[in-house]
Amino acid sequence: AQKITQTQPGMFVQEKEAVTLDCTYDTSDPSYGLFWYKQPSSGEMIFLIYQGSYDQQNATEGRYSLNFQKARKSANLVISASQLGDSAMYFCAMRMDSNYQLIWGAGTKLIIKP
Amino acid sequence: NAGVTQTPKFQVLKTGQSMTLQCAQDMNHEYMSWYRQDPGMGLRLIHYSVGAGITDQGEVPNGYNVSRSTTEDFPLRLLSAAPSQTSVYFCASSYSRNQPQHFGDGTRLSIL
Repeated sequence: AQKITQTQPGMFVQEKEAVTLDCTYDTSDPSYGLFWYKQPSSGEMIFLIYQGSYDQQNATEGRYSLNFQKARKSANLVISASQLGDSAMYFCAMRMDSNYQLIWGAGTKLIIKP
Repeated sequence: NAGVTQTPKFQVLKTGQSMTLQCAQDMNHEYMSWYRQDPGMGLRLIHYSVGAGITDQGEVPNGYNVSRSTTEDFPLRLLSAAPSQTSVYFCASSYSRNQPQHFGDGTRLSIL
């Protein structure tokens, strides 16, 4: 069965440090996509970054990058030079090409300390 | 540029009441979804649609109905509200399966 696991319920990081949020997934589908979303305390869901299973390079979007290790079935989000505004819940999600459904992890609560 | 609009933002119902959560998008997206978010859990898919007239069940469809008569609108109906349906509900849309989903601001629903 398809599953997303985020093993870090919460993290504290010092401002300006880099942070890695873990995400592992389980699927037997050969073709899939992985998404990261941010949910601030205000509640909206904000798309951050996407990685396709056949993409040769790791995805990057500004301060966000995705450390995609296909053999280990991991898709960790790396935030460089963290800012106070990065404090939020972060969700990893997976979509299989065989259907439309997104499978979501339970999330990691990130708190950036000044 | 409205994006995905959900109404209402907050609602309190009594057990057994019915209601409809509204969702509209102005981006001409074919794919639309309804999720619920409960504390300590990720989002769970209730129903989704891949175009006008086409809907399908997600992970937790029981107690909910949907229809998609137009590309823009995708309402979610609670047939007979139960306390277990207390949650935050999100509507989302995307241009295709491979594109990221755009989310509405959510509806916080409490069932007493």
